[in-house]
Amino acid sequence: DGGITQSPKYLFRKEGQNVTLSCEQNLNHDAMYWYRQDPGQGLRLIYYSQIVNDFQKGDIAEGYSVSREKKESFPLTVTSAQKNPTAFYLCASAERGGSPLHFGNGTRLTVT
Amino acid sequence: QKEVEQDPGPLSVPEGAIVSLNCTYSNSAFQYFMWYRQYSRKGPELLMYTYSSGNKEDGRFTAQVDKSSKYISLFIRDSQPSDSATYLCAMTLQGAQKLVFGQGTRLTINP
Repeated sequence: DGGITQSPKYLFRKEGQNVTLSCEQNLNHDAMYWYRQDPGQGLRLIYYSQIVNDFQKGDIAEGYSVSREKKESFPLTVTSAQKNPTAFYLCASAERGGSPLHFGNGTRLTVT
Repeated sequence: QKEVEQDPGPLSVPEGAIVSLNCTYSNSAFQYFMWYRQYSRKGPELLMYTYSSGNKEDGRFTAQVDKSSKYISLFIRDSQPSDSATYLCAMTLQGAQKLVFGQGTRLTINP
């Protein structure tokens, strides 16, 4: 079945540690996105990529980094510079920019 | 002012009721409109996708776009407890690289 796989589902880290969230898609989509979702705040765009080896900052990129070395993969690193990293992180892909998004089932990150 | 406004609710209705969910937007260039459904602790799933003005029906769901009023709606007929979820509207324009989302409306259907 085609889809987007995010792992792990739950992640716990100590403050000051970097952590990488995995996102893999087998839909052959060009565009990939990372969103953060907090209660009552909807979806906020962190980074997006339209093509391999290229990506752009979204609305809340500070404290995050990404890479797009393969079409299928778009990992997100939450660095120690992110002041409030505890959140639900969603990865999505689309055939091209602006097309409807297909979402993974998210990773819930808790930093203590 | 946000580009897309959506009442966050929560909205609670009895089973069998007709539900109306709405979003307003400010950018008249938006042409593509989407509704997503998100169950708790899951990713959003695409429910409806429409282009420009008009209505689109899929089973118990109807999406309506009124570009003149910059207003979109999602109607759910014969609502079921399984419809309890958060509903997000999203929209974009030709050639855009990303979608603009509403805040999401949390809906509960009571048996």
